Amino acid sequence: EDQVTQSPEALRLQEGESSSLNCSYTVSGLRGLFWYRQDPGKGPEFLFTLYSAGEEKEKERLKATLTKKESFLHITAPKPEDSATYLCAVQAGNTGNQFYFGTGTSLTVIP
Amino acid sequence: NAGVMQNPRHLVRRRGQEARLRCSPMKGHSHVYWYRQLPEEGLKFMVYLQKENIIDESGMPKERFSAEFPKEGPSILRIQQVVRGDSAAYFCASSPRAADGTGELFFGEGSRLTVL
Repeated sequence: EDQVTQSPEALRLQEGESSSLNCSYTVSGLRGLFWYRQDPGKGPEFLFTLYSAGEEKEKERLKATLTKKESFLHITAPKPEDSATYLCAVQAGNTGNQFYFGTGTSLTVIP
Repeated sequence: NAGVMQNPRHLVRRRGQEARLRCSPMKGHSHVYWYRQLPEEGLKFMVYLQKENIIDESGMPKERFSAEFPKEGPSILRIQQVVRGDSAAYFCASSPRAADGTGELFFGEGSRLTVL
């Protein structure tokens, strides 16, 4: 069964304290892995797409990496405005219509 | 440059009433997805539509729920005879590419349904 697991569920960081969020996946034929940011009461905002193991993408303080089993979202020197829930999703080869989402990591960055 | 537009943002219904949620995809996007999000749960796929066609409705309950994406106008998710368990945030997402390719989804702000 296709599955996406994110850890930790919640993370509190001091401003400037770098860390990583994890997304482990089990899918039949990965077509793409996606990272989103979701603020309270808002819709998910697209961040990155990764297609193959070894691929990396960067945007400001965020960097996403991908292996055959998991993806990491690295946050370097976070700021309070980075506080949000970060969602991981995969598009599977056999059911490409569906994007499977994890339950997210709730990140709080303390000034 | 309008993104995915959903309305209403908030909807309150009593048990047994009907709820209609609307979604206008981003300009140039002809692929629409509906997802449901419950507190402490991930986004759950409901249905995938292209203009005038339902491509995959495997995530949508067979009873009381229906979706359409007409040639003209927004996509509509319709819930008949709502029950308290239907209370959730319903998100619409659009994509410029067919699901048999790869491509990110762009989400609207969601419609939050509360059933009293």
